[in-house]
Amino acid sequence: DGGITQSPKYLFRKEGQNVTLSCEQNLNHDAMYWYRQDPGQGLRLIYYSQIVNDFQKGDIAEGYSVSREKKESFPLTVTSAQKNPTAFYLCASSISGPGGDTQYFGPGTRLTVL
Amino acid sequence: GQQVMQIPQYQHVQEGEDFTTYCNSSTTLSNIQWYKQRPGGHPVFLIQLVKSGEVKKQKRLTFQFGEAKKNSSLHITATQTTDVGTYFCAGPKNNDMRFGAGTRLTVKP
Repeated sequence: DGGITQSPKYLFRKEGQNVTLSCEQNLNHDAMYWYRQDPGQGLRLIYYSQIVNDFQKGDIAEGYSVSREKKESFPLTVTSAQKNPTAFYLCASSISGPGGDTQYFGPGTRLTVL
Repeated sequence: GQQVMQIPQYQHVQEGEDFTTYCNSSTTLSNIQWYKQRPGGHPVFLIQLVKSGEVKKQKRLTFQFGEAKKNSSLHITATQTTDVGTYFCAGPKNNDMRFGAGTRLTVKP
């Protein structure tokens, strides 16, 4: 089955620890995205990548880091510098980078920092 | 910078009533997309509008793109409990998409 997967679904971490969220797609999409969603809020763009080994900051990149070593994978690291990391994190992909392509979302990871 | 504003933030209707959410951009959009996110779920693509004044229908859902390509609307006729969720519009900005804050629809049976 083609699709985009995120793991784990729920993640708990202690304050001050870095944590990496996984995102994998087998849709052969060039572009991948990370969004943050807070309760009752919309989607805020953290980082996006149009091609392998290249990525761009979104609106709220501070305290986060990403890598794009493979086309299929776009992991997000939430660092200890992120002041309020508890949120719902959504990964998405699209055929190509330029705005206009449909975005396919993964099921999301709910991160809770204790 | 280009922002996509969406209203209302919340809408509570009685089952069978109609529902409309509006999306406005400060700049002209090449296209606009609509997504639905069920409670506890992830956004799912509904439709894309490209042409000025375009109207598309999906069963009880009617999507419209304004003549100036700066605004859009989603109208649901005779809502059902299955329509519950948050509806997002999204417009391209540079090389990514920017989402509106969403309209959360609740339907009372």
